Amino acid sequence: SQTIHQWPATLVQPVGSPLSLECTVEGTSNPNLYWYRQAAGRGLQLLFYSVGIGQISSEVPQNLSASRPQDRQFILSSKKLLLSDSGFYLCAWSRQEQGTFFGQGTRLTVV
Amino acid sequence: QKEVEQNSGPLSVPEGAIASLNCTYSDRGSQSFFWYRQYSGKSPELIMFIYSNGDKEDGRFTAQLNKASQYVSLLIRDSQPSDSATYLCAVNAGGNTPLVFGKGTRLSVIA
Repeated sequence: SQTIHQWPATLVQPVGSPLSLECTVEGTSNPNLYWYRQAAGRGLQLLFYSVGIGQISSEVPQNLSASRPQDRQFILSSKKLLLSDSGFYLCAWSRQEQGTFFGQGTRLTVV
Repeated sequence: QKEVEQNSGPLSVPEGAIASLNCTYSDRGSQSFFWYRQYSGKSPELIMFIYSNGDKEDGRFTAQLNKASQYVSLLIRDSQPSDSATYLCAVNAGGNTPLVFGKGTRLSVIA
């Protein structure tokens, strides 16, 4: 069966510090991978998605970037965090049209 | 702009009643439709998907799709307090395109 691992679960970072969130998927090959953000009390905002190694589509211009160095690994990064980057970050995967499946999420607080 | 609309709620129903959650979508070419449940502080969990017009039942859950009206609904029979959560509707236009999510309806089942 497929599983998705996302870490850390919670993170408190100062403004201006870098960020690296990592996500890996097991039990499938060539998945589509996604990073979403959910601000408090708000809907899901798609940040990036990838259909293959090195292929990244950005949905929202901001100070975040994503990379896919391996087939089942997806990384979300920032060089300098802003207060507005606080939120619940979710990695997800899908394959064909069988639904999108989420990791446990990382709650990021920028202070 | 592809949109998925949901009433934000809260929708309050007594324990044992039927909860009816509704969703409309703008892209007439949408091909697959999903319902997610999200408990507070947790990541979304896929509970139902439907591809064809009509009803699809899974335990206490029934998904209903009407492509002509661009309308999807989720019925929860014999609602339990544990069903209290936010329910997200999501729509896929096909291929490798990411799901488009609604902002969710908050359901509260009162014991």
